[in-house]
Amino acid sequence: KNEVEQSPQNLTAQEGEFITINCSYSVGISALHWLQQHPGGGIVSLFMLSSGKKKHGRLIATINIQEKHSSLHITASHPRDSAVYICAVRETSGSRLTFGEGTQLTVNP
Amino acid sequence: DSGVTQTPKHLITATGQRVTLRCSPRSGDLSVYWYQQSLDQGLQFLIQYYNGEERAKGNILERFSAQQFPDLHSELNLSSLELGDSALYFCASSVSGVAKNIQYFGAGTRLSVL
Repeated sequence: KNEVEQSPQNLTAQEGEFITINCSYSVGISALHWLQQHPGGGIVSLFMLSSGKKKHGRLIATINIQEKHSSLHITASHPRDSAVYICAVRETSGSRLTFGEGTQLTVNP
Repeated sequence: DSGVTQTPKHLITATGQRVTLRCSPRSGDLSVYWYQQSLDQGLQFLIQYYNGEERAKGNILERFSAQQFPDLHSELNLSSLELGDSALYFCASSVSGVAKNIQYFGAGTRLSVL
């Protein structure tokens, strides 16, 4: 079992739909990151969370430390949101990031 | 643009060779991280440097080594290359090495070992 698991692995949506990507982890963490990887390969940090909820534009990230679970929501999805979304956790025991396998999101017009 | 610069963007080489990947962190960032992304393994942490000193080590092979120079740029050296080393190598930087700092990623170096 991976320390960081994401679901779903693949997600196809129609433009305008509300999207949720889930991340569960099994280790103690000091922070959780959501990353976006574009088709060209570049990685962008979307959020870093240690508690609660953060919002940036149409993106919302939440974390429940007790349940060891985080969600990334995209409201009013758009084809330009098509990318791989990766959850990564920073364990309390060190400074390394451990990554989930990513969720491939495709938003069709 | 994240402010993290990686060179080269692409590298094609043969098995047994040695290559050096370079990373310049964002201005003011002291910490540099190296990651490998291969098709079968996903993203994996290799190594972290903070202000010239090794801070944390991940799944880095003995054939690989890294260093961070006084001007804070970092180099990842890969030697005795094997086909399985073909991957995207990312560098990231953060202000310090603590948990609450966002890591900013470079565009990556795509290494193809033939």
